[in-house]
Amino acid sequence: NAGVMQNPRHLVRRRGQEARLRCSPVKGHSHVYWYRQLPEEGLKFMVYLQKENIIDESGMPKERFSAEFPKEGPSILRIQQVVRGDSAAYFCASSPSGTGDNEQFFGPGTRLTVL
Amino acid sequence: DQQVKQNSPSLSVQEGRISILNCDYTNSMFDYFLWYKKYPAEGPTFLISISSIKDKNEDGRFTVFLNKSAKHLSLHIVPSQPGDSAVYFCAASYYGNNRLAFGKGNQVVVIP
Repeated sequence: NAGVMQNPRHLVRRRGQEARLRCSPVKGHSHVYWYRQLPEEGLKFMVYLQKENIIDESGMPKERFSAEFPKEGPSILRIQQVVRGDSAAYFCASSPSGTGDNEQFFGPGTRLTVL
Repeated sequence: DQQVKQNSPSLSVQEGRISILNCDYTNSMFDYFLWYKKYPAEGPTFLISISSIKDKNEDGRFTVFLNKSAKHLSLHIVPSQPGDSAVYFCAASYYGNNRLAFGKGNQVVVIP
């Protein structure tokens, strides 16, 4: 019974390149969330998606960041033209429902380093 | 703005003793609270939760207490074990809003 899978675990990009982070939720979960953790900080909500729909992207920067959760395949968080300030750990979580009163299961994270 | 606050960023406790972690929140709409445990280079792992209709929830060595009037909750771990050494995050949400608001975390070190 696989949990949330994320890849790659580590990603190094130079300034100006694109970063693509992938997340496969727990089997049967249709609700996916992305969080970002900066050094010495807690996790900050970025975006909440269901299959083929973005439900809440209020925590995501307006520029350079986008997310999708297609009908088939993993959820993707895409960061275009990365800058040093994008260096962080990006965590994906999933839940079986979206009512806000159930736990979210987290993946191991992708650690993005921008040189 | 930080809606969930965890002060006292680190805690050292002797094995076998009680660890107490505190968390305060500012958003009155929060009605569901969770504690997550995180080891370095891993994702957060769910530990225990509590709904606002309760004031206590217990699961083995872990107990969470909720004081709604004070907007305060605490996590008690007893007895503490060396494997409990980790960062503990308090998180909150409310019905109809799926995002979790996290505190900055507390580092717990259990000394054998």
